[in-house]
Amino acid sequence: EAQVTQNPRYLITVTGKKLTVTCSQNMNHEYMSWYRQDPGLGLRQIYYSMNVEVTDKGDVPEGYKVSRKEKRNFPLILESPSPNQTSLYFCASSFDLINRDEQYFGPGTRLTVT
Amino acid sequence: GENVEQHPSTLSVQEGDSAVIKCTYSDSASNYFPWYKQELGKRPQLIIDIRSNVGEKKDQRIAVTLNKTAKHFSLHITETQPEDSAVYFCARGIQGAQKLVFGQGTRLTINP
Repeated sequence: EAQVTQNPRYLITVTGKKLTVTCSQNMNHEYMSWYRQDPGLGLRQIYYSMNVEVTDKGDVPEGYKVSRKEKRNFPLILESPSPNQTSLYFCASSFDLINRDEQYFGPGTRLTVT
Repeated sequence: GENVEQHPSTLSVQEGDSAVIKCTYSDSASNYFPWYKQELGKRPQLIIDIRSNVGEKKDQRIAVTLNKTAKHFSLHITETQPEDSAVYFCARGIQGAQKLVFGQGTRLTINP
């Protein structure tokens, strides 16, 4: 089954404790992206990657890191989480965001930082 | 700027009536305009999209219209049904930029 998976789905952590949210897709997509969703603000892009070893900042990259060592995986790293990073996070992938295909979203990760 | 303004933020319609959600943008380089539907507790899913070389696109009860001159595009849902209740997001993209900017979302409620 073609899908985008994220883990964990729910996470409660404390300020400053490093965490990683994994994202994996099995559709051989080149493009992957991370978004955060907050009430009244829609979906805001954190980082994106157009291919292996190619990553770029989105609109709200502060406090986040990503890596793309393999085509299928695109982990989101919070080195020192803060309460303002409490949010719902979505990973997404597509063959080519604009020209060819829709973005497929993962199930989401609800993160709470206390 | 880059933002997409989406209105209304909430919309309540009677089952069977039509619903219209409108988005405006300012970047004239935008040429791709998708709409995503997010049901409660679920992930966003693409329902329809339009590119700047057409003015309207229809898929059964859903249609999207684009006015490039006025820089706005709208989602039209006719003969609404309870399963249409969800949050709808518009977005704009620029070919080659590999980036989508989303609107703030509209919570649509269909009243039986």
